[in-house]
Amino acid sequence: GAGVSQTPSNKVTEKGKYVELRCDPISGHTALYWYRQSLGQGPEFLIYFQGTGAADDSGLPNDRFFAVRPEGSVSTLKIQRTERGDSAVYLCASSPTHSNTGELFFGEGSRLTVL
Amino acid sequence: DQQVKQNSPSLSVQEGRISILNCDYTNSMFDYFLWYKKYPAEGPTFLISISSIKDKNEDGRFTVFLNKSAKHLSLHIVPSQPGDSAVYFCAAPSSARNQFYFGTGTSLTVIP
Repeated sequence: GAGVSQTPSNKVTEKGKYVELRCDPISGHTALYWYRQSLGQGPEFLIYFQGTGAADDSGLPNDRFFAVRPEGSVSTLKIQRTERGDSAVYLCASSPTHSNTGELFFGEGSRLTVL
Repeated sequence: DQQVKQNSPSLSVQEGRISILNCDYTNSMFDYFLWYKKYPAEGPTFLISISSIKDKNEDGRFTVFLNKSAKHLSLHIVPSQPGDSAVYFCAAPSSARNQFYFGTGTSLTVIP
């Protein structure tokens, strides 16, 4: 498809397990963002990639969270030793390089539930 | 530290009437603002934006007003339609466009 694709759409895991969430951005979009949305909250910034490099990872809550984008396209958000507080919808968005309109194109999100 | 705030979690409006959604911000360096619309189980989609050099931007039924002195913006939808029922987020990017700050959203219900 032409939009941002995120897999899995739903993930249920047990506390302490490792989780990977995948994002396939719109072809040609060099900027890629990960956001986390908890119930009743707005999207909260996690990390921003420009090409292959993480240009800003200041939103990652702790060192259990890590993200990669090795070829400048698909990105994977990795969460180690999951905790119940990690339960949220993880949103990926992409945009053309520093779009003047500031518009982000979001995927449908990956809902993570940690039991 | 919430730099973008939406103080009304929900709003109900009759079909055909005007919907007014409000947003306040604290960072005077913000130079661009966006509104996103989100349906359940979908990602947010861009709706309308405004640059800080303007005080109004209109796109069809949607108009965004910016009051920089009050650090306040609002989204007007007129006439409101049942399909407008969704959660609306106000957002502003950092100057480097590395981060976008989102409000907590306002859930709009348009009653037929």
